[in-house]
Amino acid sequence: DADVTQTPRNRITKTGKRIMLECSQTKGHDRMYWYRQDPGLGLRLIYYSFDVKDINKGEISDGYSVSRQAQAKFSLSLESAIPNQTALYFCATSDLRGSSYNEQFFGPGTRLTVL
Amino acid sequence: GQQVMQIPQYQHVQEGEDFTTYCNSSTTLSNIQWYKQRPGGHPVFLIQLVKSGEVKKQKRLTFQFGEAKKNSSLHITATQTTDVGTYFCAGPNMGYQKVTFGTGTKLQVIP
Repeated sequence: DADVTQTPRNRITKTGKRIMLECSQTKGHDRMYWYRQDPGLGLRLIYYSFDVKDINKGEISDGYSVSRQAQAKFSLSLESAIPNQTALYFCATSDLRGSSYNEQFFGPGTRLTVL
Repeated sequence: GQQVMQIPQYQHVQEGEDFTTYCNSSTTLSNIQWYKQRPGGHPVFLIQLVKSGEVKKQKRLTFQFGEAKKNSSLHITATQTTDVGTYFCAGPNMGYQKVTFGTGTKLQVIP
């Protein structure tokens, strides 16, 4: 079973719709992240969280919100989707303990299209 | 804020040729990470370099961390079709709260 899962894997929606992307992990990591990938721009950080009470904005948080429902679950919401939010979205986890110090473990991604 | 740039953005090579991607940070990094993303896949961690001037090898891949800890490179010797993908460097901020990813280099290997 995958350690970091994302649902849905693909989603097509219309401008103005609210949409939620979900991420779950079984790695036991405290840190979770949401990234957006666009061609030529790499991976840009949207939000990150270190526990259920700790939510932080990344470099491109406008138009997005998040919820950390439990240590293992971190959801990303688009309150009113717009076409330039069409992108590939990745959830990731990390930990500062052990040999995988600060290594980012990524989910399979969600491809979102906003029409 | 911290910016991490990579060059080139794209590279096409003939199978068997060498390939290098360069990573430059606007700020001094405590360490540098490299990831590979296969087409249609997600980024996967390759390696982390910590020391100034550090060089590490993984089979045909050689990773270097600059003396000033502001740049890094990944060199692939004798590319194979399995090397196809996008390579990202990434550097944490000083408190290790988050990681800034480079813009990536997309490698295409022509058989």
